[in-house]
Amino acid sequence: DADVTQTPRNRITKTGKRIMLECSQTKGHDRMYWYRQDPGLGLRLIYYSFDVKDINKGEISDGYSVSRQAQAKFSLSLESAIPNQTALYFCATAGTGGETQYFGPGTRLLVL
Amino acid sequence: AQSVTQLDSQVPVFEEAPVELRCNYSSSVSVYLFWYVQYPNQGLQLLLKYLSGSTLVESINGFEAEFNKSQTSFHLRKPSVHISDTAEYFCAVSGSYGGSQGNLIFGKGTKLSVKP
Repeated sequence: DADVTQTPRNRITKTGKRIMLECSQTKGHDRMYWYRQDPGLGLRLIYYSFDVKDINKGEISDGYSVSRQAQAKFSLSLESAIPNQTALYFCATAGTGGETQYFGPGTRLLVL
Repeated sequence: AQSVTQLDSQVPVFEEAPVELRCNYSSSVSVYLFWYVQYPNQGLQLLLKYLSGSTLVESINGFEAEFNKSQTSFHLRKPSVHISDTAEYFCAVSGSYGGSQGNLIFGKGTKLSVKP
């Protein structure tokens, strides 16, 4: 079984809809991250969490919110989706030292 | 703050030829350096990393990278590539201590295309 899972793997939604992307991990890591990947732009950090009570904005947090429901779960929400949020979204985890991040398989989101 | 520049967006190469994917970084603090690989339609996998010690680091599938502090580079090399190495490669940097530790900054990626 995968250590970092993301659901759904693919999602099509319409402008203005609220959607949630979920991430779960069985690695026992404290740190969790959400990134988006756009062609030619690499990965950009949206939000990160060092433990359940610690949530921090990343480089591109506008239009997104997160919830750390438990050590193993970190959800990303788009309150009102817009077309330029069409992207590939990755969740990642890391141990306390944070040296190495482990990535989930990604969620491909299309906003029409 | 850190930043990463991957100098080539695409690198086409023939099978069994050598390859170098270039990565330069900037940082005001000591850094950790990483190369991640993304095979088609998959997530990112750690290929190799430099945290401390020997400046030459190797992966299990024949890639190596050398940390060059004076040139602020961490280029990825392989002496003989295979078709299966076709993927996108991302260089990333994080600070080695303090608030920047563990927060990765990625380059824009280099697509390696290996042709028969």
